[in-house]
Amino acid sequence: DGGITQSPKYLFRKEGQNVTLSCEQNLNHDAMYWYRQDPGQGLRLIYYSQIVNDFQKGDIAEGYSVSREKKESFPLTVTSAQKNPTAFYLCASSIGRDYEQYFGPGTRLTVT
Amino acid sequence: GENVEQHPSTLSVQEGDSAVIKCTYSDSASNYFPWYKQELGKGPQLIIDIRSNVGEKKDQRIAVTLNKTAKHFSLHITETQPEDSAVYFCAASMYGGSQGNLIFGKGTKLSVKP
Repeated sequence: DGGITQSPKYLFRKEGQNVTLSCEQNLNHDAMYWYRQDPGQGLRLIYYSQIVNDFQKGDIAEGYSVSREKKESFPLTVTSAQKNPTAFYLCASSIGRDYEQYFGPGTRLTVT
Repeated sequence: GENVEQHPSTLSVQEGDSAVIKCTYSDSASNYFPWYKQELGKGPQLIIDIRSNVGEKKDQRIAVTLNKTAKHFSLHITETQPEDSAVYFCAASMYGGSQGNLIFGKGTKLSVKP
């Protein structure tokens, strides 16, 4: 069963701690993306990767970091430098940069 | 950069009626316009998309129209059903260019009353 998985569904952390969100896809897609969604807002791009070992900053990359060591995995680390980390985080993938993007189920991160 | 505005923010219709959601974009170079449906607590699902070389695209009860001159595009849902209730997002992108990232509208919460 092909698709995009994100884990965990809910994540709670204390302020000042780094936290890593998982994103895995078995669609053999080259491109992967991380978005942030806040209530009443559209999705905003954090980072994207078009190919293994390469990634680019999106519109709101400050306070986040990523890695792309494997084609199927694109983990996102929310660092303590991110001022407002509480949000719904969505991972997406596409065959390539200019193709349809498909989303995972999301991870809701709460930092207190 | 690209800016996408979406209206209305909320829409309530009676089951069986039609629903229309409109989006405007600012960058005339944008050439790809997808629509996503997001149910509560889930990730967005691509429901239909259109590229700038066509003016309209249909898929059963869903259609999207594009007016490049006016820089706006719309989602049309006919014969609405309660399961159509969700938040719908439009997006715009300039595929093939250096700025090919999707820019999303803020969403429309559609409620279909039985």
